[in-house]
Amino acid sequence: QSILIQPPSASGTPGQRVTISCSGSTSNIGSNYVYWYQQLPGTAPKLLIYRDNQRPSGVPDRFSGSKSGTSASLAISGLRSEDEADYYCAAWDDSLSGWVFGGGTKLTVL
Amino acid sequence: QVQLVQSGAEVKKPGASVKVSCKASGYSFTEYYVHWVRQAPGQGLEWMGWINPTSGGTNYAQKFRGRATMTRDKSISTVYMELSRLTSDDTAVYYCARDNDSWTVPAPIGSKWFDPWGQGTLVTVSS
Repeated sequence: QSILIQPPSASGTPGQRVTISCSGSTSNIGSNYVYWYQQLPGTAPKLLIYRDNQRPSGVPDRFSGSKSGTSASLAISGLRSEDEADYYCAAWDDSLSGWVFGGGTKLTVL
Repeated sequence: QVQLVQSGAEVKKPGASVKVSCKASGYSFTEYYVHWVRQAPGQGLEWMGWINPTSGGTNYAQKFRGRATMTRDKSISTVYMELSRLTSDDTAVYYCARDNDSWTVPAPIGSKWFDPWGQGTLVTVSS
């Protein structure tokens, strides 16, 4: 059971907007930044969003992050087939003194 | 370019140990923490701990204390993760990942992230 809770799956059709949630607690999301990683099939994870809502260079502005209280969300607009991947949220946990991840959300583009 | 290259796949028997290496290039090796993250088949990511390549200091996730050992060899810019007393539950892909920013830059732990990642090393534990 992961410390951060994500829905196991999400789906959408090309062009649609989808959101993926990540629920935590005051010791992690509530007091630290949230990060999102994208993992394409058979590859290592790649940073998608850092410090709640910042995009690294090279990440399309179709991807956006937000946070409120102890929950965070990743939104993908203008869905494309190449967005089909697993998405993980992560945060530092002050109580555990370690990094925690969500269980991951498998995004399917129908 | 900044790169982390890991050692090849391993097959081990239950009760044995495995040592995975992660060779860094393209940056000053001693200035960035390196983390280990594992992923069991079909499962999510699990943080195991970090090592400070300058001092050799480590911080392990509670679950792995006493069983995981992270070390480094500064002469060849390589960090290692050794996991002992293996069981089938340890079958996973093991990734190394670097902090995005140097530890010499004062910042809260949670303000840094993992970038880049190694390509991953599959460890299979089977009798």
